[in-house]
Amino acid sequence: GAGVSQSPSNKVTEKGKDVELRCDPISGHTALYWYRQRLGQGLEFLIYFQGNSAPDKSGLPSDRFSAERTGESVSTLTIQRTQQEDSAVYLCASSLGGSGGAGETQYFGPGTRLLVL
Amino acid sequence: QKEVEQNSGPLSVPEGAIASLNCTYSDRVSQSFFWYRQYSGKSPELIMSIYSNGDKEDGRFTAQLNKASQYVSLLIRDSQPSDSATYLCAVIGSGYSTLTFGKGTMLLVSP
Repeated sequence: GAGVSQSPSNKVTEKGKDVELRCDPISGHTALYWYRQRLGQGLEFLIYFQGNSAPDKSGLPSDRFSAERTGESVSTLTIQRTQQEDSAVYLCASSLGGSGGAGETQYFGPGTRLLVL
Repeated sequence: QKEVEQNSGPLSVPEGAIASLNCTYSDRVSQSFFWYRQYSGKSPELIMSIYSNGDKEDGRFTAQLNKASQYVSLLIRDSQPSDSATYLCAVIGSGYSTLTFGKGTMLLVSP
């Protein structure tokens, strides 16, 4: 297919509610990444999937954050009991997954803008 | 801890000039280096990747890598106002698959 897609594009929620963010990677890309970008800040790594496994989830900020990937395709990032500090753009990226060279090049989706009131 | 450092800017250049964006990284065994461009309110888009020492040219863009100095740069020739954006340097260390991003340098090209 085309590029990485994410949904919803925007999400407004109330503090304390749970949210689910979805990412559809580029077809054939085995690696998938989630990042967070607060307003005016750099990209903050959250979690990396290779296939359906997450070898690196070191960036998840708290146990309120979780992610899963199924069918080596779609991934869902879930934030439970949202807080105002969770307001940010959540970006998903995918890559072919090969080690070294072009296989590591990550392509980003348009992001989900989350606002917690 | 792996770190990637960039001057936050803004770097202001006149139209037609060469813009030089710089990045240093802490992980000596880093192997792969990327430059992304991010327009305000948009997601990052890949400009160039570089894996070996020296220069790599693609149109108006040239990436330069010096692993001994742990330094990577991006030159933009004949800068255009449409080049105004934040430029993100990203690095992958040996044995890792995750990118470490710098905070980005904002470039402003004035007509």
